[in-house]
Amino acid sequence: QVQLVESGGGVVQSGRSLRLSCEASGFIFSSYSMHWVRQAPGKGLEWVAAILYDSSGQFYGDTVKGRFTISRDNSKDTLYLHMYSLRAEDTAMYFCAADFGDFKIDYWGQGTLVTVSS
Amino acid sequence: QTVVTQEPSCSVSPGGTVTLTCGLSSGSISTTYSPSWYQQTPGQSPRTLIYNTNIRSSGVPDRFSGSILGIRAALTITGAQADDESDYYCMLFIGGGTWVFGGGTRLTVL
Repeated sequence: QVQLVESGGGVVQSGRSLRLSCEASGFIFSSYSMHWVRQAPGKGLEWVAAILYDSSGQFYGDTVKGRFTISRDNSKDTLYLHMYSLRAEDTAMYFCAADFGDFKIDYWGQGTLVTVSS
Repeated sequence: QTVVTQEPSCSVSPGGTVTLTCGLSSGSISTTYSPSWYQQTPGQSPRTLIYNTNIRSSGVPDRFSGSILGIRAALTITGAQADDESDYYCMLFIGGGTWVFGGGTRLTVL
């Protein structure tokens, strides 16, 4: 079955960097686009970034553009989110998500919590 | 900046029908935006309900349906059950590889 396991979250000081990882299994990782979605405590879902199956395109939400970088290593079935210049408002649960096409998210991980302290 | 609006909260009686909607701050939603809908209960990851406006994801009961109503996307629950009490989010493909979620609707079944 499809599994997405995020890691790398934690407490980090404002202005610092952090890298999240998402290990995928149960499907052909290299064939599908992937997303990061976040959810601040008590708030709604926010789309963060997406990457095409072959890394030929990366796309970002306005609030993270220029500060976050999405990447993937298809040889390791792993998705990454490199977060720079972190701010308090980046505090959230970060979900990794798989996009099997047809303009939707098909599978979600359990999330990893990032807390940015000022 | 694209803002997607949803009703903050809604309620329905058990067995009743409720329609949640999703709109754009400027303009109308069409199938071009490929609206999808997600259900999330507290402490859980979201679950995909509907995609491409009106296609149910695998395993989703047929009491959930999607449509375009006027200038908004809609999620209708027919014969609501207690465990439908959740947060519901729409997501739109706004082009250029980018997506946006609505603010979510908290549905109460009472």
